[in-house]
Amino acid sequence: GQQVMQIPQYQHVQEGEDFTTYCNSSTTLSNIQWYKQRPGGHPVFLIQLVKSGEVKKQKRLTFQFGEAKKNSSLHITATQTTDVGTYFCAGQTDSWGKLQFGAGTQVVVTP
Amino acid sequence: KAGVTQTPRYLIKTRGQQVTLSCSPISGHRSVSWYQQTPGQGLQFLFEYFSETQRNKGNFPGRFSGRQFSNSRSEMNVSTLELGDSALYLCASSSGTGIDEQYFGPGTRLTVT
Repeated sequence: GQQVMQIPQYQHVQEGEDFTTYCNSSTTLSNIQWYKQRPGGHPVFLIQLVKSGEVKKQKRLTFQFGEAKKNSSLHITATQTTDVGTYFCAGQTDSWGKLQFGAGTQVVVTP
Repeated sequence: KAGVTQTPRYLIKTRGQQVTLSCSPISGHRSVSWYQQTPGQGLQFLFEYFSETQRNKGNFPGRFSGRQFSNSRSEMNVSTLELGDSALYLCASSSGTGIDEQYFGPGTRLTVT
């Protein structure tokens, strides 16, 4: 069945540094979504990518969907303490299919 | 708009018992999905209900069941609880009419002793 894998599982970053988290699917996706979960909170939607090769930016966050629509990445520049949390990618193989979440990348930021 | 609400927020049950969790979606949303979250396992999809019908199902045993009412509110039931069922159970609502974002509730923290 469909599997979504995320790496790294854990990322320790110095404030001001950049980092990237990657998401890979075993099957071609129709779309991919990214969510952020703060410690003690619930996942909150960040963005959705639909087109092959699509790149979207939200301030310091850059999201990319691979050309083959089987992988995605989230790049954060100049990390801040507010970036702490777990970032999940989630993919669907069609519009009506279940949203398959990756295991998440837990980000810890050191001031 | 009011967000997704879940009740109860915390629950302690004993092995062998059953439990029912409730989720009220955002007004106008017709899809409700349920997830189990445990440390290291991420978010595991349980099932999705749309217009009172189960539209998608994850790989959980039959002890896990759900339903949706005509007002889109949803309940999830777990029978014959096991220690491994201890987790945060999250529900998420969406319009359900295509590719759209999910709005998560605060979750119900279930502890099985």
